[in-house]
Amino acid sequence: EVQLVESGGGLVQPGGSLRLSCAASGFTFSSYAVFWVRQAPGKGLEYVSGISGNGGSTYYANSVKDRFTISRDNSKNTLYLQMGSLRVEDMAVYYCARARGQWLAYYFDYWGQGTLVTVSS
Amino acid sequence: QSVLTQPPSVSGAPGQRVTISCTGSSSNIGAGYDVHWYQQLPGTAPKLLIYGNSNRPSGVPDRFSGSKSGTSASLAISGLQAEDEADYYCQSYDSSLSGSRVFGTGTKVTVL
Repeated sequence: EVQLVESGGGLVQPGGSLRLSCAASGFTFSSYAVFWVRQAPGKGLEYVSGISGNGGSTYYANSVKDRFTISRDNSKNTLYLQMGSLRVEDMAVYYCARARGQWLAYYFDYWGQGTLVTVSS
Repeated sequence: QSVLTQPPSVSGAPGQRVTISCTGSSSNIGAGYDVHWYQQLPGTAPKLLIYGNSNRPSGVPDRFSGSKSGTSASLAISGLQAEDEADYYCQSYDSSLSGSRVFGTGTKVTVL
């Protein structure tokens, strides 16, 4: 059974940092690109960042570029998102999702349950 | 502001058919990029409903169908059921500088 389990969310002050993790199981992790997608309270879905199966290609939304860093450890079947210079507008539930298809036409067939990031002083 | 526009809400009685539009442009849907659809039940993670414009993953009822034409795509739900009350999002790729990977604005489906 494919499972994605996020962790690392919590309360952080504006300007602070946080690292999210997503533990994957039930599939060959290194064979799939994985993405972070967030959802602010009461709002829609927003792409955040993505990384190819071997880590050689990455994607960042303009809103997080130069502040967030995505990485993966295929030996640990884990995806990471290092978030820095956090802003109030980064407050959201962060989901990790497994990607299928081609890099420009990805869709997400499995999602984690999400982890809440709260940015507040 | 997403480049894929959906109606904020649609509603229907049980058993009826409802459709949700996803309107894009020549830099996304009109450029031939695939459209995918997700269902998000209250308080849960999104679930893949339709991929590649019109394909249903295993386990998704055939009451759900997707189509694409020109710069728009549509999700149809026939035989509407109470458990279909959820938020629905389209997703595609946008080749413009301000775009890239995008979700639609989302549509709340209410079963009357």
